[in-house]
Amino acid sequence: AQSVTQPDIHITVSEGASLELRCNYSYGATPYLFWYVQSPGQGLQLLLKYFSGDTLVQGIKGFEAEFKRSQSSFNLRKPSVHWSDAAEYFCAVGAGGYNKLIFGAGTRLAVHP
Amino acid sequence: ETGVTQTPRHLVMGMTNKKSLKCEQHLGHNAMYWYKQSAKKPLELMFVYNFKEQTENNSVPSRFSPECPNSSHLFLHLHTLQPEDSALYLCASSQEQQGPYEQYFGPGTRLTVT
Repeated sequence: AQSVTQPDIHITVSEGASLELRCNYSYGATPYLFWYVQSPGQGLQLLLKYFSGDTLVQGIKGFEAEFKRSQSSFNLRKPSVHWSDAAEYFCAVGAGGYNKLIFGAGTRLAVHP
Repeated sequence: ETGVTQTPRHLVMGMTNKKSLKCEQHLGHNAMYWYKQSAKKPLELMFVYNFKEQTENNSVPSRFSPECPNSSHLFLHLHTLQPEDSALYLCASSQEQQGPYEQYFGPGTRLTVT
């Protein structure tokens, strides 16, 4: 069965530090992969997506993610974190029919000044 | 209005009440979704509608009743809810031709059942 694992429940970084959020997926075919961000009390906003082609994808707000098939991973990165990046981040894989998305449990990011 | 809107944003209801959540998408999409987001649990897909037809019901209790009168509007009718139904209910929409599996979310309705 398809699944998404985000190993880190909480991460704390200092403002200006680099960030990497981990995501591992389980899916037999070539996956459609997504990262979403959710600020408190808000819905999910699409940060970036991978369908095919270049394995390093750029997203909004300075985020990027790299698809590594050999590791079944799609880690999210940002070179310099801003205080406004504090939020919860969800990795998702498109799986099965009717446009179903399978979400990970999320990683909550805290940013220290 | 742009994107996906949801009303109300907050709702408090007793276990014997009947209420409805409304979702509207202004993106020209043809698929709409209801998700439940509870504290410390992954996002749970509840219902999927494609071209107004329900294509997914993830064993959701009958006290939740969805309605999709057209491709732009989605409702979730609630009755006889339980306290454990308190959660953030998110609506999303997508259009396969614009990007497979790419869903756009509304801000959610925070539901509290007392």
